[in-house]
Amino acid sequence: RKEVEQDPGPFNVPEGATVAFNCTYSNSASQSFFWYRQDCRKEPKLLMSVYSSGNEDGRFTAQLNRASQYISLLIRDSKLSDSATYLCVVNPNSGGYQKVTFGTGTKLQVIP
Amino acid sequence: GAGVSQSPSNKVTEKGKDVELRCDPISGHTALYWYRQSLGQGLEFLIYFQGNSAPDKSGLPSDRFSAERTGGSVSTLTIQRTQQEDSAVYLCASSTGGGAGQPQHFGDGTRLSIL
Repeated sequence: RKEVEQDPGPFNVPEGATVAFNCTYSNSASQSFFWYRQDCRKEPKLLMSVYSSGNEDGRFTAQLNRASQYISLLIRDSKLSDSATYLCVVNPNSGGYQKVTFGTGTKLQVIP
Repeated sequence: GAGVSQSPSNKVTEKGKDVELRCDPISGHTALYWYRQSLGQGLEFLIYFQGNSAPDKSGLPSDRFSAERTGGSVSTLTIQRTQQEDSAVYLCASSTGGGAGQPQHFGDGTRLSIL
């Protein structure tokens, strides 16, 4: 099993739709989780951290399910500008060792 | 404040030449990472520096690749005797490190093309 797995997509959704991505991880001791977005031919940029209790930032909601070892990202009211690849990041955060693992990303295409 | 700075932005070189890529992390960030990304692919981890600890070199694809970090700040990634398969975007990221699981911040990358 890969350390971090994501459905590569693409997810093609109409403007205004709600879309959700999951990301599963294999290391049950993982401590920190993040979602990044990467636009075509650009560097990844932090979208949001994922907290144990779940967290929301505008139209974006991130959740963590430790029991099933996955994190999710929900995007409401999709905009054309949301089109990008979404990367999940898992950090074992063991004793200060911070080598994270990036998923290969889920591609989202919002259609007019 | 200033973000992660990488240079050059683009590098085109002939097969067999050596190249040196530079990364200037965010001031105060103790953790520094190098990744490689081929077109349409995910991030490939190369090497990780954390403070004064020995770097984690487990991702370096061959002994042609090496990296160093001087004074806990600037890092250089060197590729010797470049091959066409080395063509990719090389991304550097830094974070505050420590035990709190801080996110990484990326530079714009160096787009390397081997002719």
